[in-house]
Amino acid sequence: DGGITQSPKYLFRKEGQNVTLSCEQNLNHDAMYWYRQDPGQGLRLIYYSQIVNDFQKGDIAEGYSVSREKKESFPLTVTSAQKNPTAFYLCASSISGRGALEEQFFGPGTRLTVL
Amino acid sequence: QKEVEQDPGPLSVPEGAIVSLNCTYSNSAFQYFMWYRQYSRKGPELLMYTYSSGNKEDGRFTAQVDKSSKYISLFIRDSQPSDSATYLCAMSPSLTTDSWGKFQFGAGTQVVVTP
Repeated sequence: DGGITQSPKYLFRKEGQNVTLSCEQNLNHDAMYWYRQDPGQGLRLIYYSQIVNDFQKGDIAEGYSVSREKKESFPLTVTSAQKNPTAFYLCASSISGRGALEEQFFGPGTRLTVL
Repeated sequence: QKEVEQDPGPLSVPEGAIVSLNCTYSNSAFQYFMWYRQYSRKGPELLMYTYSSGNKEDGRFTAQVDKSSKYISLFIRDSQPSDSATYLCAMSPSLTTDSWGKFQFGAGTQVVVTP
């Protein structure tokens, strides 16, 4: 059963703590993405990766970090430097990341709340 | 000003009615246009995509693009309660290295179809 999994579904964090969100895909896709979704705003790209061991900043990368050590995994760390981290985080993947009409497949999301 | 504007709704219609959704955009470089559907607490899924101006039909769904007005629309005919979701538009410029995999999303319109 192919797809993208994100864990955990809900995450609570105290201010000042780093937290890592998991994203795994078994679609054999080269490209993976992290988006943030806030009420009243569109999805905003945090980081993306088109190949293992390489990733690029998106529009709102400040306060976030990623790694891409394996093709199937693209974890996102929300650091204490992110000033407003409470949001819904979505991970996505696509075949290569090199096609303008290439479909991105999304995971179910992680809702992060900072207490 | 956001690059992509979309009325957040909610848009409430009776079952069987036509749902009309739209997005406006400011970047004339956008050439690829997509509509995603997102059910509550889930990741978005691709509904339709179009390239440049014109219409595209897929079952009960019709997508229209008017590049001269920088305006795109999605129509849902014979709406069903199962169509209740948030609909997001997304756009991408022409294929360049900088644009690979980088969509601009609208904020999404919440649609409620009442039985």
